[in-house]
Amino acid sequence: EDQVTQSPEALRLQEGESSSLNCSYTVSGLRGLFWYRQDPGKGPEFLFTLYSAGEEKEKERLKATLTKKESFLHITAPKPEDSATYLCAVQPDRGSTLGRLYFGRGTQLTVWP
Amino acid sequence: GAVVSQHPSRVICKSGTSVKIECRSLDFQATTMFWYRQFPKQSLMLMATSNEGSKATYEQGVEKDKFLINHASLTLSTLTVTSAHPEDSSFYICSARSGTSGGALTGELFFGEGSRLTVL
Repeated sequence: EDQVTQSPEALRLQEGESSSLNCSYTVSGLRGLFWYRQDPGKGPEFLFTLYSAGEEKEKERLKATLTKKESFLHITAPKPEDSATYLCAVQPDRGSTLGRLYFGRGTQLTVWP
Repeated sequence: GAVVSQHPSRVICKSGTSVKIECRSLDFQATTMFWYRQFPKQSLMLMATSNEGSKATYEQGVEKDKFLINHASLTLSTLTVTSAHPEDSSFYICSARSGTSGGALTGELFFGEGSRLTVL
């Protein structure tokens, strides 16, 4: 059964304190792994897509990496505005419908000044 | 980037009534849209895949007669919660993919802002 597990469930950081969020996945084959940011009461906002082990992508203070079993979202020198829930999702390499994603429960990040 | 719009953002209704939620892709055509449901502190759960011009594909455990999906055009999909009950109260989110090519994973999946349904 395909599974996505994110850890930690919640993370509190002081402004400027770098850290990483983890996304472990079990799928029959990975077509893509996605990171989204979700603010309270809002829909997810796309951040990154990773397709193969060893791939890395960066956007401002965020950097996503991928291995065969997990992905990390590294946050460098976070700011309070980075506070949000970060969601990880995978698309298995089976089935024909593009876009069927399986989500983890997310990591709720709070960055305090 | 591509924009997906949902309406209404919030709706409160009485038990037994039906509620329609719209999902529009504003600057791209989406042959396929997806409907998710999210309970507090839970992950997004895919409910159904909406295909333009054909019947929606529902995930296991989702009642197709309760959650009616219509994808009448390349930019609009609707979800109707029929005879809503308090247990249907949730955050409903649609998504659409921009750009596909020969079945390859091209384009990104963009989400709407979500619709908070509260059934009294």
